[in-house]
Amino acid sequence: GDSVTQMEGPVTLSEEAFLTINCTYTATGYPSLFWYVQYPGEGLQLLLKATKADDKGSNKGFEATYRKETTSFHLEKGSVQVSDSAVYFCASNAGGTSYGKLTFGQGTILTVHP
Amino acid sequence: DGGITQSPKYLFRKEGQNVTLSCEQNLNHDAMYWYRQDPGQGLRLIYYSQIVNDFQKGDIAEGYSVSREKKESFPLTVTSAQKNPTAFYLCASNNPPSGGRDTQYFGPGTRLTVL
Repeated sequence: GDSVTQMEGPVTLSEEAFLTINCTYTATGYPSLFWYVQYPGEGLQLLLKATKADDKGSNKGFEATYRKETTSFHLEKGSVQVSDSAVYFCASNAGGTSYGKLTFGQGTILTVHP
Repeated sequence: DGGITQSPKYLFRKEGQNVTLSCEQNLNHDAMYWYRQDPGQGLRLIYYSQIVNDFQKGDIAEGYSVSREKKESFPLTVTSAQKNPTAFYLCASNNPPSGGRDTQYFGPGTRLTVL
């Protein structure tokens, strides 16, 4: 079945450091890929998405590129801020017979120190 | 403001009791979903509904029930048959094109604790 694997956390960085959170997926067909962010005690917010190979999603300085050849969707940000501290989830949605089912990675906790 | 509301934010239940979590959306979305989140894990799909009066089991439906009598509402009942109900429950919705690969939008969640 479909699966999403994220790098294990927690990740601790200093402000203005470079961030990479790795994400790889397995899926039948051609899934849409998403990064969601969750702040403490809240629901998930869509951070960015990509729907086909070589698409780049971007938002608030975060970027991720849909790499079909490596089945990856790594999240990057050039200079993190304290306010980026949150849990980040990578997810895929293959549609088709998996209609509506988002498959999530386990989440990566990011803590940014001043 | 359009969005998804879940109530209550915190819910406490005694063992052996059924409890119903509310999810309402005013986004005019056709599809709605319930997920469960446990510490250190991703979200797992409990039930989903593509249209009013229809719903499907997700990966972990045992011990849960749902109804979809109105487009904007998708309540989840956690029954006494659910062996480990303490978790954070998230509701989502979207208007997927054919194939269901569209973005899902999430509510703020309900934290259920069984005492």
